[in-house]
Amino acid sequence: AQTVTQSQPEMSVQEAETVTLSCTYDTSESDYYLFWYKQPPSRQMILVIRQEAYKQQNATENRFSVNFQKAAKSFSLKISDSQLGDAAMYFCALGGGADGLTFGKGTHLIIQP
Amino acid sequence: EAGVAQSPRYKIIEKRQSVAFWCNPISGHATLYWYQQILGQGPKLLIQFQNNGVVDDSQLPKDRFSAERLKGVDSTLKIQPAKLEDSAVYLCASSLESIYNEQFFGPGTRLTVL
Repeated sequence: AQTVTQSQPEMSVQEAETVTLSCTYDTSESDYYLFWYKQPPSRQMILVIRQEAYKQQNATENRFSVNFQKAAKSFSLKISDSQLGDAAMYFCALGGGADGLTFGKGTHLIIQP
Repeated sequence: EAGVAQSPRYKIIEKRQSVAFWCNPISGHATLYWYQQILGQGPKLLIQFQNNGVVDDSQLPKDRFSAERLKGVDSTLKIQPAKLEDSAVYLCASSLESIYNEQFFGPGTRLTVL
């Protein structure tokens, strides 16, 4: 079975600063994908960034980047130049094999103006 | 491009009653998912369809939950009879092919069981 662990229930950051959200996972699959999804208070989830496990290069999308450490099974999300619109729940998710997509419990990100 | 549509947005029922949720995925998306999201937790996959066939329903409580995807497009999720612990947001998502593709989520249906 796949597991995803987000150890930070809540994080707070000042506007314009950088914050890192942690995620660790466990899977027996060799081919898998990792995702970060954002869920604003309106509850519609949107994809932030995706990483293929076979790629060594860390994915980057504008102000969002990941630190993928395959051996350590770690997949953290870095948000640079935090903006008020970044406030949301962030979910780390793992997809691979026959277990479908497994989500962590989420991290509530607060942006302080 | 229209997003994933779900209805109703909110539903309140009493325990032991039945309820049904409807989902219309993005046009052309072969894969459809139903998730249950209990307050304070991440979504949990209930069932995954590829076109109109079930790929994974290992976490679906089959004694009370059922789902179908007729003609490989719309889908309905039914709970009969509902229990208090079924109170949650039910999310529908769709993707082009598989779990490796980006999933697009609908707004969800918030179910309250009294």
